[in-house]
Amino acid sequence: DGGITQSPKYLFRKEGQNVTLSCEQNLNHDAMYWYRQDPGQGLRLIYYSQIVNDFQKGDIAEGYSVSREKKESFPLTVTSAQKNPTAFYLCASSTTSLYGYTFGSGTRLTVV
Amino acid sequence: SQQGEEDPQALSIQEGENATMNCSYKTSINNLQWYRQNSGRGLVHLILIRSNEREKHSGRLRVTLDTSKKSSSLLITASRAADTASYFCATGGEETSGSRLTFGEGTQLTVNP
Repeated sequence: DGGITQSPKYLFRKEGQNVTLSCEQNLNHDAMYWYRQDPGQGLRLIYYSQIVNDFQKGDIAEGYSVSREKKESFPLTVTSAQKNPTAFYLCASSTTSLYGYTFGSGTRLTVV
Repeated sequence: SQQGEEDPQALSIQEGENATMNCSYKTSINNLQWYRQNSGRGLVHLILIRSNEREKHSGRLRVTLDTSKKSSSLLITASRAADTASYFCATGGEETSGSRLTFGEGTQLTVNP
């Protein structure tokens, strides 16, 4: 079955550490996205990529970094520069926006 | 910045009743989409309506779009307990690969059995 997989489901980070969230899709989608969701709120775009080896900053890119070396993979690194990283992180992919986004099941990151 | 604003923020109804959620947006759009999110899960795409469409149906879902008022509504008919979830509208730009969506803050729907 085609889909988008995020791992891990839960992640705990100590202050000052970098952590990397994985996102893999086998849908052959060109575009991939990372969103952050805080409790009771909507989604805010962190980074997105339309093609391999290219990505653009979203609305809240500070303290985050990404890479897109393969079409299937779009990992997100939450760096120590991100002051408030505790949140639910969602990865998505799409072909044209006509068909909407396909989302992963999310990674919940907690700073301890 | 959030493009869409949903109203109400929370809605509680009885099973069998209809649920109506509204979304307002600020700038011109090419399409508007509705998504559903069960607690602690990813979002699921429900329906897309293009800017030149006024109404669209999918099963028990009915979406309307009024571009003059920059607003949309999602109607769920004959609601079920399994419809309990958060519902988000999202506005999109060009219908090409990699077009970014901007999401609203969502309506939390609770359907009581």
